[in-house]
Amino acid sequence: AAGVIQSPRHLIKEKRETATLKCYPISRHDTVYWYQQGPGQDPQFLISFYEKMQSDKGSIPDRFSAQQFSDYHSELNMSSLELGDSALYFCASSGSTGNTEAFFGQGTRLTVV
Amino acid sequence: AQSVAQPEDQVNVAEGNPLTVKCTYSVSGNPYLFWYVQYPNRGLQFLLKYITGDNLVKGSYGFEAEFNKSQTSFHLKKPSALVSDSALYFCAVRLGNTGKLIFGQGTTLQVKP
Repeated sequence: AAGVIQSPRHLIKEKRETATLKCYPISRHDTVYWYQQGPGQDPQFLISFYEKMQSDKGSIPDRFSAQQFSDYHSELNMSSLELGDSALYFCASSGSTGNTEAFFGQGTRLTVV
Repeated sequence: AQSVAQPEDQVNVAEGNPLTVKCTYSVSGNPYLFWYVQYPNRGLQFLLKYITGDNLVKGSYGFEAEFNKSQTSFHLKKPSALVSDSALYFCAVRLGNTGKLIFGQGTTLQVKP
């Protein structure tokens, strides 16, 4: 079965620009999570969606927004990019039962210059 | 605060020797615990999980982990390490009903031939 698909894999943006990251979850997974992993750091939870509604929110800057669409894919929109936004952004998906594990995509490496 | 700790930044073992990567947790209620592995510039791959039941959990690639409630630990183990096991390992706890993961700071495993 196909895993979680993220696009693009790499993205280079200039400061103050806007970026959109896309995530396509595993089929029949109704929950999507976004994480940010800085260099040499552990992944930090940003935001999650369940059945197209925001279900939880972590350390996501106000400059970022996200949504989950009717086909369950999700997009993370990042505006007014800063150098500190350079990181690996992961999307993960899972089923909705409490004991299911999350499966991660390969990530999008965002570099802000 | 709920948290996960991995006390070792790096673990070095010789190929063929047993390995242990340590993890301790601090959560309220019953913990849902996970181990993920990350290869360079790749996403996180699920290894194993503890939800309930037998304290010894077996996972992918010959890894196993032992849940110890009294010591609040969930150490990752493998009887015989391979050079290809060299990677970054994350312990994580799943929080609440939304399923977000809180990660430890990661442990780099280096297996030498």
